[in-house]
Amino acid sequence: NAGVTQTPKFHILKIGQSMTLQCTQDMNHNYMYWYRQDPGMGLKLIYYSVGAGITDKGEVPNGYNVSRSTTEDFPLRLELAAPSQTSVYFCASSPRQNSNQPQHFGDGTRLSIL
Amino acid sequence: KQEVTQIPAALSVPEGENLVLNCSFTDSAIYNLQWFRQDPGKGLTSLLLIQSSQREQTSGRLNASLDKSSGRSTLYIAASQPGDSATYLCAVRLILTGGGNKLTFGTGTQLKVEL
Repeated sequence: NAGVTQTPKFHILKIGQSMTLQCTQDMNHNYMYWYRQDPGMGLKLIYYSVGAGITDKGEVPNGYNVSRSTTEDFPLRLELAAPSQTSVYFCASSPRQNSNQPQHFGDGTRLSIL
Repeated sequence: KQEVTQIPAALSVPEGENLVLNCSFTDSAIYNLQWFRQDPGKGLTSLLLIQSSQREQTSGRLNASLDKSSGRSTLYIAASQPGDSATYLCAVRLILTGGGNKLTFGTGTQLKVEL
């Protein structure tokens, strides 16, 4: 059981380039989330999705876009990378019916923008 | 706006000690509270989840308590071991108007258990 899988694990991007961070889960969870974690800070919610075709903004959505065409996949896109987007990005998922179930996290994507 | 604070930011203890990590939150209207462990270069592993109606949860050497009215939670680790060295994050869960739920995280306590 793979859980939540994120690719790539590491990446270096130049300012102004675009990139898609991939996230897939095999637990048939309806809810999926993208967080970013900056050094010494807690995780902040970027975008979330409650099901295929439905997405909504979190706390820090500027500079990012998401799509949810399938239950399994929730990619995060950076259109014009900026140094402020250097961070560790975590994808998470949780079941639909019961919010008392914990969110399951991937191992993260460490992204540097130079 | 919900804010979550964890004290201390870092803690170093000798092996075998019992220790307490603290978490406080500003808005008591939470759905539940979750404690996570994060190892360097890894994602988050859920340790304990406490419902808003509960006072505590236990798993092995870990015990988490919740005082919702005062906005506080503690994570108690008994007989600490070097393998417990990690960053411990506290997060409170809110239900979002559009469905789904959101976790608001503290900045974590970095724990080192020394031999």
